[in-house]
Amino acid sequence: QQQVKQSPQSLIVQKGGISIINCAYENTAFDYFPWYQQFPGKGPALLIAIRPDVSEKKEGRFTISFNKSAKQFSLHIMDSQPGDSATYFCAASKSQGGSEKLVFGKGMKLTVNP
Amino acid sequence: DAGVTQSPTHLIKTRGQQVTLRCSPKSGHDTVSWYQQALGQGPQFIFQYYEEEERQRGNFPDRFSGHQFPNYSSELNVNALLLGDSALYLCASSFRQGSFLAEAFFGQGTRLTVV
Repeated sequence: QQQVKQSPQSLIVQKGGISIINCAYENTAFDYFPWYQQFPGKGPALLIAIRPDVSEKKEGRFTISFNKSAKQFSLHIMDSQPGDSATYFCAASKSQGGSEKLVFGKGMKLTVNP
Repeated sequence: DAGVTQSPTHLIKTRGQQVTLRCSPKSGHDTVSWYQQALGQGPQFIFQYYEEEERQRGNFPDRFSGHQFPNYSSELNVNALLLGDSALYLCASSFRQGSFLAEAFFGQGTRLTVV
């Protein structure tokens, strides 16, 4: 049973466009929702993260929107650049209480055309 | 700050062999988690070490074992390798404040190929 479902599986956008990646989770005990960016042959790098006490968090061109009632969260990449071409993973975990393992989605491959 | 470092970066082993992967956490971090990432998939949690003890384990067989040393570095051991163990093995480190675990930082991974 997949606890974190990510969509779409791949996305192609033009330079300057907006990239949107969606995730849905099942476990209501999750209280930490990070997004990771991974380039080929590299480990995932933390991009931005949110906790359920806020509905939106923005860092530069990256924004997380969080909908607790729908158990959904999304990543928006504004002014997408070719250097943003990578695989993006959403994840979820409980940040305390002895169950802090990250549960990842299957990833979304983003291609930004120049 | 060197971040999370893993060794080796690549490894080729034969079915049935045993392998040991190593991880040095980011400076100031005391908790190490290991993940397996198959090609085209998201990372899957193997286990987590804190205070030299395995604290939590994912759905992996006993062939997967680990260790954490007093300097917080960690090893992942896999016995009786199967072709299906071929994957990128990722180490992630974080630090614990009481019952709260801070964000995890990943190493570059060890690419294991079993032939």
